Amino acid sequence: AQSVTQPDIHITVSEGASLELRCNYSYGATPYLFWYVQSPGQGLQLLLKYFSGDTLVQGIKGFEAEFKRSQSSFNLRKPSVHWSDAAEYFCAVGSHGNQFYFGTGTSLTVIP
Amino acid sequence: EAGVTQFPSHSVIEKGQTVTLRCDPISGHDNLYWYRRVMGKEIKFLLHFVKESKQDESGMPNNRFLAERTGGTYSTLKVQPAELEDSGVYFCASSQATGGGAFFGQGTRLTVV
Repeated sequence: AQSVTQPDIHITVSEGASLELRCNYSYGATPYLFWYVQSPGQGLQLLLKYFSGDTLVQGIKGFEAEFKRSQSSFNLRKPSVHWSDAAEYFCAVGSHGNQFYFGTGTSLTVIP
Repeated sequence: EAGVTQFPSHSVIEKGQTVTLRCDPISGHDNLYWYRRVMGKEIKFLLHFVKESKQDESGMPNNRFLAERTGGTYSTLKVQPAELEDSGVYFCASSQATGGGAFFGQGTRLTVV
């Protein structure tokens, strides 16, 4: 069965610190992987996606994610967090033409 | 270019009433998706339109939910009659090419009391 696990419900980091959000997936076919962010009062915004090729993908706002097939993971990273990064982050998996499966989300708090 | 727009942003209705949510996708996007997030849980797929046709409606919870996309443009999602467990945030998304990631609206927060 297809599923996505985001083991961290909530993370707090200091501004300027590095960040890693974990995502593990279970998917029967070759996965397309996504990270979305939802800021308060906003819709879901696509940060980055992986289809094939280089397993380290760059996204917007300085985020990157690394696909590790052997670990079924697609962790999101940022070297230095800004206060504006406080939001909820969702990992999702899908395939060509079909629905996405989302994780339960990780809420990020950034402290000064 | 306008993004995906959803109306209303919030709706509070009583159990047994009817509510209709609307989604305007990005112009030219053939694919339109509805998702729902119940509080504290994951965002779950409801259904997928390709133009005006339902491509996949496997996620629709029951026959109280009816989605339409007349003319392949905007879509509506009607809940009739609403139950308490229907409360949540309903997201609409659209994409031009399938599998490429989708653009999401800001969601409609539905509260059934």
